[in-house]
Amino acid sequence: NAGVTQTPKFQVLKTGQSMTLQCAQDMNHNSMYWYRQDPGMGLRLIYYSASEGTTDKGEVPNGYNVSRLNKREFSLRLESAAPSQTSVYFCASSEFGETQYFGPGTRLLVL
Amino acid sequence: GQSLEQPSEVTAVEGAIVQINCTYQTSGFYGLSWYQQHDGGAPTFLSYNALDGLEETGRFSSFLSRSDSYGYLLLQELQMKDSASYFCAVDGAGNNRKLIWGLGTSLAVNP
Repeated sequence: NAGVTQTPKFQVLKTGQSMTLQCAQDMNHNSMYWYRQDPGMGLRLIYYSASEGTTDKGEVPNGYNVSRLNKREFSLRLESAAPSQTSVYFCASSEFGETQYFGPGTRLLVL
Repeated sequence: GQSLEQPSEVTAVEGAIVQINCTYQTSGFYGLSWYQQHDGGAPTFLSYNALDGLEETGRFSSFLSRSDSYGYLLLQELQMKDSASYFCAVDGAGNNRKLIWGLGTSLAVNP
C-alpha cells in the first residue's frame, strides 16, 4: 500500500500561472481533504470531500478549486497563482474522520 | 466558534516526561486527536480519545476531560527523535467529520 500520494513534490510558479496538484489514496477511504500549512499557522483546510461526488469549502477556499475525480483521486487547482499561495499543501484521507492519513506534501513557491 | 489552544513551544531533556496541553472551545465533537509532525514531514496520527480518560500507546498517552474542555498528550522517556511539532485536533459533530486543528506545539528535546 502506498497510502496517500501527491504530485508534484515541488513546484515554482510565476504569478498568474495555473497548476493542478494531484492526490490519490489506495485505502478505499470515503473522505479526502486538502490543507495548506504556513509557518505559525498550523493546518488550514482548503476543501474537503466527504464522499465521492461531493466537495465542500473549508476555511480558506478562495483562489482554489477541487475535483473529486473518483473515490481514489482528489485534485486541487490554482487557476491564477498569487504569491500569497506560496505554502506547503497536504492532501489527506480518512474513513471515520478521527484518523487522517497525510500525503508527503507539495511545496509550492509563487514568484 | 470553535478553537483549540496549545502552547507554542516546549523544551525538555532526554529521558524526561513532558505534557502538552490542549484546551478547546467547541459546542460538540466526537473526539480529540493528536498528530506528530517532524520538520519537513507530513503529520502522522498518534492517538484519539473518543471518551474521557487516558489512552496509552507505548511511551505516549493522551487524556481527555470533556467536562473541563481539556486534553493533553504525555510523552515519557523522551528521545531526541521526539523533537517535532504536536497538533491537537477535534472532529466536530455534524460537520462531515472535518478536523479543527490547534496551531501546534514545537517540542525540543535536548541531550
